[in-house]
Amino acid sequence: GAGVSQSPRYKVAKRGQDVALRCDPISGHVSLFWYQQALGQGPEFLTYFQNEAQLDKSGLPSDRFFAERPEGSVSTLKIQRTQQEDSAVYLCASSLRVDEAFFGQGTRLTVV
Amino acid sequence: QKEVEQNSGPLSVPEGAIASLNCTYSDRGSQSFFWYRQYSGKSPELIMSIYSNGDKEDGRFTAQLNKASQYVSLLIRDSQPSDSATYLCAVRNTGGFKTIFGAGTRLFVKA
Repeated sequence: GAGVSQSPRYKVAKRGQDVALRCDPISGHVSLFWYQQALGQGPEFLTYFQNEAQLDKSGLPSDRFFAERPEGSVSTLKIQRTQQEDSAVYLCASSLRVDEAFFGQGTRLTVV
Repeated sequence: QKEVEQNSGPLSVPEGAIASLNCTYSDRGSQSFFWYRQYSGKSPELIMSIYSNGDKEDGRFTAQLNKASQYVSLLIRDSQPSDSATYLCAVRNTGGFKTIFGAGTRLFVKA
């Protein structure tokens, strides 16, 4: 496809369960971002990759959150021991440059 | 003080009118500014980017930037019901990769 693809679209996890969210960026896009969006709020920055290098992870809320992009293409955001406050939409965006990022449809995570 | 502030709205305008959306930011050294549109249940979609003071026009949309006042605005001319959405202002921080979003302004265009 031509756009950023995220899977799954919806995920329900029991509290304490580990989850993995996948992002397929637009082919050739060097930059990849992860954002967390709570209901009624704007996206909150989590982390940034340039190719396979994670250059900024200052937005990850705790050490339960981990992201990787081992081959500079597909990225995975992993959340360990999920908590109810982790419930949100997780958005992935990619771009040729840092600016003008294009978003995927997001993964809605609900922790019960 | 939030890093990027927007009036949450809702802003309601009649069809055909000009909608004016405003945003202020706190990092005086910010260099890149963006407006995204987000329909309910959908992901943000980039409308405009602006990097220098003044106006930038693209079709019915005009972005305005005033770095001295730390103020960004978006004007939508000839508003249509299909413009009804949440508009997110975003600012990229100085020397970094993090883009900070405001909470968004909900716009309703009444037919």
